[in-house]
Amino acid sequence: DTGVSQDPRHKITKRGQNVTFRCDPISEHNRLYWYRQTLGQGPEFLTYFQNEAQLEKSRLLSDRFSAERPKGSFSTLEIQRTEQGDSAMYLCASSPGLGVDGQETQYFGPGTRLLVL
Amino acid sequence: GQQVMQIPQYQHVQEGEDFTTYCNSSTTLSNIQWYKQRPGGHPVFLIQLVKSGEVKKQKRLTFQFGEAKKNSSLHITATQTTDVGTYFCALGSWGKFQFGAGTQVVVTP
Repeated sequence: DTGVSQDPRHKITKRGQNVTFRCDPISEHNRLYWYRQTLGQGPEFLTYFQNEAQLEKSRLLSDRFSAERPKGSFSTLEIQRTEQGDSAMYLCASSPGLGVDGQETQYFGPGTRLLVL
Repeated sequence: GQQVMQIPQYQHVQEGEDFTTYCNSSTTLSNIQWYKQRPGGHPVFLIQLVKSGEVKKQKRLTFQFGEAKKNSSLHITATQTTDVGTYFCALGSWGKFQFGAGTQVVVTP
């Protein structure tokens, strides 16, 4: 399977614990996105990488959230001191950037479902 | 910032019927994308619209971008059970995408 993969698929943790999620994008995709999705809502943008550079970060993202893409390939999203409100599906998407027609197609991974008790 | 509203929030459709879902913005858009998310699945890209008044078709799906580039619609004809899911529009700008809340579609056989 050459699609976007995420690990783990499910995570249950206790409030106050740290968690880390991994995303492996489609090979050679230079753009990588993290989103959070709660029930009944659309994906909410968290952050965006162009290669290894983090170019955009939502102002909704608290200091407890940090993301890295050290070699421009896989990415990690860490949440420190988790809160119950962090419970959500965390989605990763990658894209090859803008095509010649100006279109950017994002390919989403299956997500990591986080439950904070 | 830009706000995007999707209506209706829920759509119950009899198999074989047509329906339309709408995406409205308070500001002029440079482009708009549509995604479909099946129950328990992840969003899948359907299409991107860029030009004013643009109409694109994918089999039974017709996508339209308004003349003023402030709204978009997705029309599905002869709905099938495979059309079940949530349809999202998304506004893209410089690597930052804003998704609407989606229209959840339920199809009754």
